[in-house]
This record gives sequence, C-alpha cells and structure tokens, in this order.
Amino acid sequence: GAGVSQSPSNKVTEKGKDVELRCDPISGHTALYWYRQRLGQGLEFLIYFQGNSAPDKSGLPSDRFSAERTGESVSTLTIQRTQQEDSAVYLCASSPSGGPTDTQYFGPGTRLTVL
Amino acid sequence: RKEVEQDPGPFNVPEGATVAFNCTYSNSASQSFFWYRQDCRKEPKLLMSVYSSGNEDGRFTAQLNRASQYISLLIRDSKLSDSATYLCVVNGGSNYKLTFGKGTLLTVNP
Repeated sequence: GAGVSQSPSNKVTEKGKDVELRCDPISGHTALYWYRQRLGQGLEFLIYFQGNSAPDKSGLPSDRFSAERTGESVSTLTIQRTQQEDSAVYLCASSPSGGPTDTQYFGPGTRLTVL
Repeated sequence: RKEVEQDPGPFNVPEGATVAFNCTYSNSASQSFFWYRQDCRKEPKLLMSVYSSGNEDGRFTAQLNRASQYISLLIRDSKLSDSATYLCVVNGGSNYKLTFGKGTLLTVNP
C-alpha cells in the first residue's frame, strides 16, 4: 500500500515568509509525528497527533511553528516568518496506534531552505 | 549526558567485515529501543527493534543492557548495500516520543 507522502519535496523561501508543509499518513494510522533534521544532526521531535486527543506540541521550537491535523488524515506544519535557522529537512511519520513499540513509518521529507 | 549518544564514526570497513555500533541512553524510564537505517538524503527506516533478551535478524544482532543503559548493533559479513547511517532510537518513557541519536555513518568498501 501507499506509504507516508509529503509535499513539497523541496521548498526554498526568503527569510520572513510563511511556509506550509503537508503530510499524508498511511491510511488507518491514528498517530502522526513531525520531526526536524538539521544538517549533520539527529532527528528532533516537534509534535505528535493521536486520534482526537490534544496534540503534544512540546517539541515545537517557537510560537512561529504550528501544526494541524484533520481527523486521522492529512496534517500541515506551518512556519511563520521563517528564519535561516529553520532550514532543515522536515520529516513526517505515522504509526498504527502511537504505542511504545509501534514502528514509525517516515515520509521522504520536505527539504526547507530559508535564504 | 546526551539523551542518546552514539559512536561518532564514520566507519569504513571492507566487504565481509564485522562491525559493531554502540549507543547509550540517559532516560532509565525508556521502554522501547530501535535501530533505524537512513540512506543518504532518504528517510529513516526501521532496521530492527531491540529486545532485552537480544535479537537477531540474519546478519544483524541487537543487544540491550538496561542496567548499563547501553544498546549495540552487530553487522556480520557486511555488504556494500549496508552502507548507510545507523540511528539508535529510544522511546523517551512516554508512549510515543522517540529520541534519535545523531547516527553513525558506515561505508562498506569493495
């Protein structure tokens, strides 16, 4: 079946502009995660959605970052007034139930470059 | 102490070599442990989960020592296709939040 998809695959923007990144999880997966991977660094957790529960936003680095999810489907990550330090690959993952032993399946990522 | 710390690498080995990666984690409440593999400019993919009793999948063996908060991955008879970055991943004690190490780059040479 289809895996996690993300769009756009690449995004170049100017400092100060807003960007919106999209994630389509695997159908039937209730849990959805956003991570950020800066060049040469490990993945950083950003936000977690599970069903209709309130999202865990504890990893969002600033109030310029926000994310939404419609039910158990598409999610969008929005970065307002982008800064150069926001340049990174933004990875979305989904898992069947969000349990501790769940495998998280990652999308191909969106490579964001802020000039 | 970093939450998840791995060998910095890189590792360059010839085909057929045995290579071992080590990882330590700081949160003693961690429940789940994984090794993911990430190819250059690609997304991470699960290689194997790590169980307390140790587990093996073909040429790959993973070990967990909870007392020492230490995880290892052994690759035997390495292949060119094993070249990738290996990520040590730990569940942070909550149900879902994974913490990733920075990864160790492995290059298997012909």
